Amino acid sequence: QSVLTQPPSASGTPGQRVTISCSGSSSNIGSNTVNWYQHLPGTAPKLLIYDNNHRPSGVPDRFSGSKSGTSASLAISGLQSEDEVDYYCAAWDGSLMGWVFGGGTKLTVL
Amino acid sequence: QVQLQQSGPGLVKPSQTLSLTCAISGDSVSSNSAAWNWIRQSPSRGLEWLGRTYYRSKWYSEYAVSVKSRITINPDTSKNQFSLRLNSVTPEDTAVYYCARTLGYIDLWGRGTLVTVSS
Repeated sequence: QSVLTQPPSASGTPGQRVTISCSGSSSNIGSNTVNWYQHLPGTAPKLLIYDNNHRPSGVPDRFSGSKSGTSASLAISGLQSEDEVDYYCAAWDGSLMGWVFGGGTKLTVL
Repeated sequence: QVQLQQSGPGLVKPSQTLSLTCAISGDSVSSNSAAWNWIRQSPSRGLEWLGRTYYRSKWYSEYAVSVKSRITINPDTSKNQFSLRLNSVTPEDTAVYYCARTLGYIDLWGRGTLVTVSS
């Protein structure tokens, strides 16, 4: 059972905008920043968004992040077939004194 | 370009010790700003942070409560790498194990090593 809650799946058509939610608590998202990762099984997870809404160099501006209270969201606009992978949120938890993760959302591009 | 290269056996017998190594290129295990982590992923437990080691004038190692009694994460400055040892493994420790770097956030992951605990 993951500490952060994500929907197990999401879908959209090419060109569409989709959002993926991530819900936590006061000890993690409520008091620390959220990071998002893109993961194709069998490869290294890739940092997509850090500190709630910052994109590392090389990440397209189609990807954006936001946070409000104890929840965060990842938005992907202009959906492309290559976006069909798994997405995970993560945050530091001050009570557990460790990194916690969402259960992952599998994105399907219809 | 920083890279993390994992190595270690993919099969461990129950009650034995799981050992993995993560070799760092392009950065230093002794960095004063980075921390070096081990994370695992399994279908039943999802992504689970196991612990980290880092250098801030002296070495620190911190562990998740769930594995604290069985885990050791050590730096090896001579080889610029860090290691994971997990004792007394059971089939529930079967997972893909990742090493990762944090610079305030987890910014870099290794490719993962599937470790199966089975006799």
